[in-house]
Amino acid sequence: QSALTQPASVSGSPGQSITISCTGTSSDIGDYNFVSWYQQHPGKAPKLMIYDVTKRPSGISSRFSGSKSGNTASLTISGLQAEDEADYYCNSYTINTTVVFGGGTKLTVL
Amino acid sequence: QVQLVQSGSELKKPGASVKISCKASGYTLTTQAMNWVRQAPGQGLEWMGYINTNTGNPRYAQGFTGRLVFSLDTSVSTAFLQISSLTPEDTAVYYCARGVSGYYRIDYWGQGTLVTVSS
Repeated sequence: QSALTQPASVSGSPGQSITISCTGTSSDIGDYNFVSWYQQHPGKAPKLMIYDVTKRPSGISSRFSGSKSGNTASLTISGLQAEDEADYYCNSYTINTTVVFGGGTKLTVL
Repeated sequence: QVQLVQSGSELKKPGASVKISCKASGYTLTTQAMNWVRQAPGQGLEWMGYINTNTGNPRYAQGFTGRLVFSLDTSVSTAFLQISSLTPEDTAVYYCARGVSGYYRIDYWGQGTLVTVSS
């Protein structure tokens, strides 16, 4: 199972909104609503931000939202803040009953 | 609150084995699956597989079969990852990560264990 495709980097200014895409296939994202997004600051463990495509865990800011269209899932962060600067990873359940991650996207807050 | 606390960093020689522990607290280990995820230096996350903590049955990701062993000691709420025949390419941070209501729905992560393989 190939990794999901994410842009290597995105950037935005404080207060702006950005969207990170995560492209898979009909064997993973396209066929299942089990996409999650994780935030990882340098030297830290990943932190769950979105699960089941659109759901936010308790304690996660409403500035973070998820969506899906076809084989592509997206994470949108609105009202960018300096603390949002981190690496972001998506993952999905697959038809082979495995889990596949995206390659990661580095978010820079300008 | 849910916590996964992993064992400390390891330095191993090529050909050796390593065993990493992951102690769960704040919930009952046997009620949720435990995944293992690898992150090589400067690289992304890679799913290694998971263990059904209720039955003890492991599922290894393709590419890892043969060198990995997932195990449990439920008496101390701890999951283990053992990797044999280490090579320098196994140098990475290894995370345990809980799967809630389905192994694929990963929520809490351990702090990571750095394994360095070098002669």
